[in-house]
Amino acid sequence: SAVISQKPSRDICQRGTSLTIQCQVDSQVTMMFWYRQQPGQSLTLIATANQGSEATYESGFVIDKFPISRPNLTFSTLTVSNMSPEDSSIYLCSAAGYNEQFFGPGTRLTVL
Amino acid sequence: GNSVTQMEGPVTLSEEAFLTINCTYTATGYPSLFWYVQYPGEGLQLLLKATKADDKGSNKGFEATYRKETTSFHLEKGSVQVSDSAVYFCALSDLGGGGYQKVTFGTGTKLQVIP
Repeated sequence: SAVISQKPSRDICQRGTSLTIQCQVDSQVTMMFWYRQQPGQSLTLIATANQGSEATYESGFVIDKFPISRPNLTFSTLTVSNMSPEDSSIYLCSAAGYNEQFFGPGTRLTVL
Repeated sequence: GNSVTQMEGPVTLSEEAFLTINCTYTATGYPSLFWYVQYPGEGLQLLLKATKADDKGSNKGFEATYRKETTSFHLEKGSVQVSDSAVYFCALSDLGGGGYQKVTFGTGTKLQVIP
């Protein structure tokens, strides 16, 4: 299993600013992912964070809006850029194990 | 593409009542099936899983059976407790284009158990 921590756990931000969310895994993992959970909705995959190369984004998500870094096998960051109130969501980091995915506690973002 | 459909909530039950949360899926190939639980203010936790047809996953009194013929994975518990109040997500995992296990989630069902 893998234990995942995220920082910050929550934040309130102003429109037009950017926030970087950090994700730390307690063991080396091959695959890391970032999800968004909008209020009252399910999880939507934003991108796969690839170690040493550019992230792979899902349809509807672009690198300019959600830049992702993955400098090593235990750490990744997601930046939410030029935020608007529509970006208010919970952002979850995830790591893939054998036939299972582990999730961080999430970062609750509110954009005013 | 893959999809997961689960019953809409919220579901409100009295303590010790029987719980069923329906989940059906559409997938190419042979996915693995999961139930995740999200307690208030916390992240997702794996509740149970099944990796092939007719497998039964179970944990903490919850059960779900992988039914390939009906493409279903309904969650059941014989006697719910107040501490079971949470949002439950049905999910499936299949190999994505890059060879990794891509997970598709249902919309979640909120369960509220009252004393």
